[in-house]
Amino acid sequence: DGGITQSPKYLFRKEGQNVTLSCEQNLNHDAMYWYRQDPGQGLRLIYYSQIVNDFQKGDIAEGYSVSREKKESFPLTVTSAQKNPTAFYLCASTLNRGQPQHFGDGTRLSIL
Amino acid sequence: QKEVEQDPGPLSVPEGAIVSLNCTYSNSAFQYFMWYRQYSRKGPELLMYTYSSGNKEDGRFTAQVDKSSKYISLFIRDSQPSDSATYLCAMSARSNSGYALNFGKGTSLLVTP
Repeated sequence: DGGITQSPKYLFRKEGQNVTLSCEQNLNHDAMYWYRQDPGQGLRLIYYSQIVNDFQKGDIAEGYSVSREKKESFPLTVTSAQKNPTAFYLCASTLNRGQPQHFGDGTRLSIL
Repeated sequence: QKEVEQDPGPLSVPEGAIVSLNCTYSNSAFQYFMWYRQYSRKGPELLMYTYSSGNKEDGRFTAQVDKSSKYISLFIRDSQPSDSATYLCAMSARSNSGYALNFGKGTSLLVTP
């Protein structure tokens, strides 16, 4: 079955530590997105990538970094510069051109 | 003003009721409109997708888009306890960020047996 796989499901970060969230899709989608979801605030765009080896900052990119070396993969690194990283992180993908985005089941990141 | 406004609820209805969920928006460039359902600790699941104005029906679900009023709706007929979830409206247009979605904050729905 085609879909988007996010791992791990739960992640804990220590102070000063960088952590990487994985997102893999086998839908052959061109575009991939990372969103952050906080209670009462909806989903906010962190980074997006429309093609391999290219990505753009979203609305809240500070303290995050990404790479897009393969079409199937779009990992997100939460760096120590992100002072409030506790949130639910969602990865999505789409064929682009206005097609709906499909989501993974998210990674919940907490601070130790 | 936020681009997409959605009443967070919570909305509680008895089983079998008709549910009406709504969003308003300010950006007249939005062309693509979606409704997602999200269960606790899961990713959003696409329910309905509409391009431009009009109605779309899929089983118990009907989506309506009124671009002149900048208003979209989702109707759920014969609601079931399994419909209890958070419903997110989302919309997009061609922009510098490709087709990145703009989300409402979500409406929490509880259907009681």
